[in-house]
Amino acid sequence: NAGVTQTPKFQVLKTGQSMTLQCAQDMNHEYMSWYRQDPGMGLRLIHYSVGAGITDQGEVPNGYNVSRSTTEDFPLRLLSAAPSQTSVYFCASSSRGTPYEQYFGPGTRLTVT
Amino acid sequence: AQKITQTQPGMFVQEKEAVTLDCTYDTSDQSYGLFWYKQPSSGEMIFLIYQGSYDEQNATEGRYSLNFQKARKSANLVISASQLGDSAMYFCAMREGGFKTIFGAGTRLFVKA
Repeated sequence: NAGVTQTPKFQVLKTGQSMTLQCAQDMNHEYMSWYRQDPGMGLRLIHYSVGAGITDQGEVPNGYNVSRSTTEDFPLRLLSAAPSQTSVYFCASSSRGTPYEQYFGPGTRLTVT
Repeated sequence: AQKITQTQPGMFVQEKEAVTLDCTYDTSDQSYGLFWYKQPSSGEMIFLIYQGSYDEQNATEGRYSLNFQKARKSANLVISASQLGDSAMYFCAMREGGFKTIFGAGTRLFVKA
């Protein structure tokens, strides 16, 4: 049981490039989320999904797209990278049952130059 | 809109003493959940404790307890008998109704020997 996996662990992009951060979970969780973590700002919700085919925007969705074609996978796409998107990105999943805690991946450290 | 406030950017506590980390929240929903997570310097997110809005008793998990004051909209984390390994960032989070979960900015706890 690998839990929540994220790839890559580190990535450097140039401004304007696009890329996809991968997230997968093997716990059959319905709920999945993407967060970004910046110093002094905690974790901010980018997008989330309550099941395959269903996604919704979080607090800071601009510049990011998501899709959820399967229960297991929830990729995050950066459309045109900007230096403001330099951050650590966490993917998380949760089941429907209490206590609803989220299981987090190890994170992806992204630098946009 | 949801909001989580953690007013203590940093806290110091002597080893073996108790410490309280503050968290206030704002929501118009009647059904919600409150969480605390720990993030050590290694970066992973560790779930500590959960409190449902309808739970009448404060949640406890080992040395962690959640002081839930619904009327004041506060959900403070109490760590008893602090240990050096408790030095970390601590995040308060709230889930409203469905699944959307947002986090506060965090409190960095330093435990002194």
